[in-house]
Amino acid sequence: TQLLEQSPQFLSIQEGENLTVYCNSSSVFSSLQWYRQEPGEGPVLLVTVVTGGEVKKLKRLTFQFGDARKDSSLHITAAQPGDTGLYLCAGLFGNEKLTFGTGTRLTIIP
Amino acid sequence: KAGVTQTPRYLIKTRGQQVTLSCSPISGHRSVSWYQQTPGQGLQFLFEYFSETQRNKGNFPGRFSGRQFSNSRSEMNVSTLELGDSALYLCASSFSPSINDEQYFGPGTRLTVT
Repeated sequence: TQLLEQSPQFLSIQEGENLTVYCNSSSVFSSLQWYRQEPGEGPVLLVTVVTGGEVKKLKRLTFQFGDARKDSSLHITAAQPGDTGLYLCAGLFGNEKLTFGTGTRLTIIP
Repeated sequence: KAGVTQTPRYLIKTRGQQVTLSCSPISGHRSVSWYQQTPGQGLQFLFEYFSETQRNKGNFPGRFSGRQFSNSRSEMNVSTLELGDSALYLCASSFSPSINDEQYFGPGTRLTVT
């Protein structure tokens, strides 16, 4: 079973600050997705990355896929209270179903 | 269009009982996947159905089963409930099983086993 470790597990920062969360595995991903989950709801897909070294931007969110396709990062610029939630990475290994990471619970303090 | 709906939203059961959870996918979606989410283990894949056939199954005991109907609606069943089965059960639908098709998650059913 492939494992995806996310760090940090918890992060609490002030509004306006920048932050980065990480997703790491010892195995190579075919592709990787990032989701955000808010209380009482299911995860919502933010982005899918498939090419090593790929960088995608979604407004204040920047997603990077490692060159070796074993790791990924999510950087948020000027965090806002609406960014609060559980951030999950999910990797696809070969033809297997998505494996989700352990999650980073982010709290933005107004 | 309406999103993925799951019923019931909350459920309390006693050890040894069985439970059936229901998922209605987005209209036109034919692939349905089920996940279990707990604080300790995170989000874990249970099984996936497409066109009424189970395509993939996660590493869960046989007490966990599911099925899909011709209208793509899906149910999952857990028999002989254990305390450790307490979790948020999430259903996700997509147009097809392809990774290129985005999965849309429902709000989940929170199951508490006492």
